Amino acid sequence: SQELEQSPQSLIVQEGKNLTINCTSSKTLYGLYWYKQKYGEGLIFLMMLQKGGEEKSHEKITAKLDEKKQQSSLHITASQPSHAGIYLCGAYHPNTGNQFYFGTGTSLTVIP
Amino acid sequence: DTGVSQNPRHKITKRGQNVTFRCDPISEHNRLYWYRQTLGQGPEFLTYFQNEAQLEKSRLLSDRFSAERPKGSFSTLEIQRTEQGDSAMYLCASSFRLDYGYTFGSGTRLTVV
Repeated sequence: SQELEQSPQSLIVQEGKNLTINCTSSKTLYGLYWYKQKYGEGLIFLMMLQKGGEEKSHEKITAKLDEKKQQSSLHITASQPSHAGIYLCGAYHPNTGNQFYFGTGTSLTVIP
Repeated sequence: DTGVSQNPRHKITKRGQNVTFRCDPISEHNRLYWYRQTLGQGPEFLTYFQNEAQLEKSRLLSDRFSAERPKGSFSTLEIQRTEQGDSAMYLCASSFRLDYGYTFGSGTRLTVV
């Protein structure tokens, strides 16, 4: 089965601090997607990475995909309480058919 | 609102009862997906529709579960004879193409008591 491992599982940071969340696959990814989920709600799309070495930024969030397309990182600069939630990476691979598979998520708490 | 809409947001039911959830995808998206998410886990794939055709089903989708997408528009997910283990968040997503990513609804949280 395809697996995405996320680390850390949970993170507690002081407001204003930087943080990084990692997502690792044992297989080459054909697309890597980052989503954010508020507790008990649906997933909100953040960013999509498809090319090796690609980097995208939106406001204070930067996502990178390594050259081998097996690892992605999500970096938040100067964290704010609004960044709190669960961050999930998702990917698809031809072997998985027409579906995404997801990591187990990283729970982020930002202390004001 | 042009997002994915799910109803109801919350459902509490007694064990053994049947429940039905509805998903209205983004109108121009021909792909529709159902996922299930339990606490502390990422979403797990249940089933996939392209237009009205159900093209994939996970082994997680036991015979108590059935999904439909008549006319390729909205979709329903029915669970018969609910069990406590069915308690979870049921998420619907739609997309135009897989490599464009999914748009998720807010989910339906099911609690079986």
